[in-house]
Amino acid sequence: NAGVTQTPKFQVLKTGQSMTLQCAQDMNHNSMYWYRQDPGMGLRLIYYSASEGTTDKGEVPNGYNVSRLNKREFSLRLESAAPSQTSVYFCASSERPTRASYEQYFGPGTRLTVT
Amino acid sequence: AQKVTQAQTEISVVEKEDVTLDCVYETRDTTYYLFWYKQPPSGELVFLIRRNSFDEQNEISGRYSWNFQKSTSSFNFTITASQVVDSAVYFCALQTSGSRLTFGEGTQLTVNP
Repeated sequence: NAGVTQTPKFQVLKTGQSMTLQCAQDMNHNSMYWYRQDPGMGLRLIYYSASEGTTDKGEVPNGYNVSRLNKREFSLRLESAAPSQTSVYFCASSERPTRASYEQYFGPGTRLTVT
Repeated sequence: AQKVTQAQTEISVVEKEDVTLDCVYETRDTTYYLFWYKQPPSGELVFLIRRNSFDEQNEISGRYSWNFQKSTSSFNFTITASQVVDSAVYFCALQTSGSRLTFGEGTQLTVNP
C-alpha cells in the first residue's frame, strides 16, 4: 500500500497562476482532508470531504476550491495564486470523522512557493 | 470552540536525557479525542497515539509514554532516554466527536549527540 500520495512535491508559481494539487489514497478511507502548514502555526484545515460526494470548508478556505473526484482522490485547486498561499500543503485521509474518531494518515506534502 | 496549546516552541536536550512535551487543550465537549503526531526533518507526519476522553489510563510504548489528565486538561508526552532520531516537530491535536481536528503549533525537539 502506498498510503496517501500527493503530486507534485514541489511547485513554484507566479502570482495569478492557477494549479491543482492532487491527492490519492489506497486505504479505502471515507474521509479526506487538505491542510496547510505555515511556520509557527501548526496545521490548519482548508477543506475536507467526510465522504464521497461531499465537501466542506475548514478553517482557511478562501482562495481554494476542492473536488472529491471519487473515493480515492481529492484535489485542491488554487484559481489565482497569491504570495500568502506560499506554504506546505498536506493531504490526509481517515476512516470517518463522526461518532468515533480515527487517526488521520498524511501524505508527504507539497511545498508551494508563490512569487 | 476548541483549542490546543503547546507552550514549548523549542526544546533542546542531550542524548539519553528524558524530555516531556506539554499539551494543554480546551473543549466544552465531554467526548473528545487527543492525538500526537511526529514530523521528522523529512517532513511527513507520523501518527503516534490516539486517546479518547473516557480513557485516562497512561500509555507506554517503548521509550514513549503519555500522561492524560482531564483535571488539568493536559496530554503530555514523555520520551525516555532520548535519541538523535527523536529530533522532530511534535504536534498535539484535539478532535471532538464529528468535528475537525485542531492542531497545536508544535514543539521542535532537538536531541544533540
